[in-house]
Amino acid sequence: NAGVMQNPRHLVRRRGQEARLRCSPMKGHSHVYWYRQLPEEGLKFMVYLQKENIIDESGMPKERFSAEFPKEGPSILRIQQVVRGDSAAYFCASSPTETQYFGPGTRLLVL
Amino acid sequence: DAKTTQPPSMDCAEGRAANLPCNHSTISGNEYVYWYRQIHSQGPQYIIHGLKNNETNEMASLIITEDRKSSTLILPHATLRDTAVYYCIVFEYGNKLVFGAGTILRVKS
Repeated sequence: NAGVMQNPRHLVRRRGQEARLRCSPMKGHSHVYWYRQLPEEGLKFMVYLQKENIIDESGMPKERFSAEFPKEGPSILRIQQVVRGDSAAYFCASSPTETQYFGPGTRLLVL
Repeated sequence: DAKTTQPPSMDCAEGRAANLPCNHSTISGNEYVYWYRQIHSQGPQYIIHGLKNNETNEMASLIITEDRKSSTLILPHATLRDTAVYYCIVFEYGNKLVFGAGTILRVKS
């Protein structure tokens, strides 16, 4: 059973561009969580999704950030008009209903 | 805010048991104690979890006090590859994980 997959593993964007981060949950997992880790800081929750529904987005910045988990395909975290402060590691986790299992993360660097 | 308190760092000799403490005095009845670790900024790795009883798996043992206000993660034979940040989290199913600063465990030869 493959683990949680994230791509790309590294992403470089210039200020003002869009970043799209993908997360494929483990087989059979219908819950997806996104977390962000800023440089030298701890992991912070961003959003919790089930198929086609956003359950909790209390950790999402109010502007430029959005997330989806469509019926088919991976979950997408989208960051519009990136700024240097968006540079961070973004981790996705999936769960069947309980324990969350994390992917390897996407390192976003904004130049 | 995290509901747990952990020492910021600990050292352990290679081959010896590493005992990582965690205080969670405000834990509620529905909350589990979960442990994760993060090695070199990789994705957090699930280790073990428990509700009331002590638990053991291939990676570690978890000892939870009877009043559930504290717990200890035990790595029975620490290796250099166990050097990581260890996070103790109290968690209710269906909720988000709230990470604190964790404990930096340094295993030394």
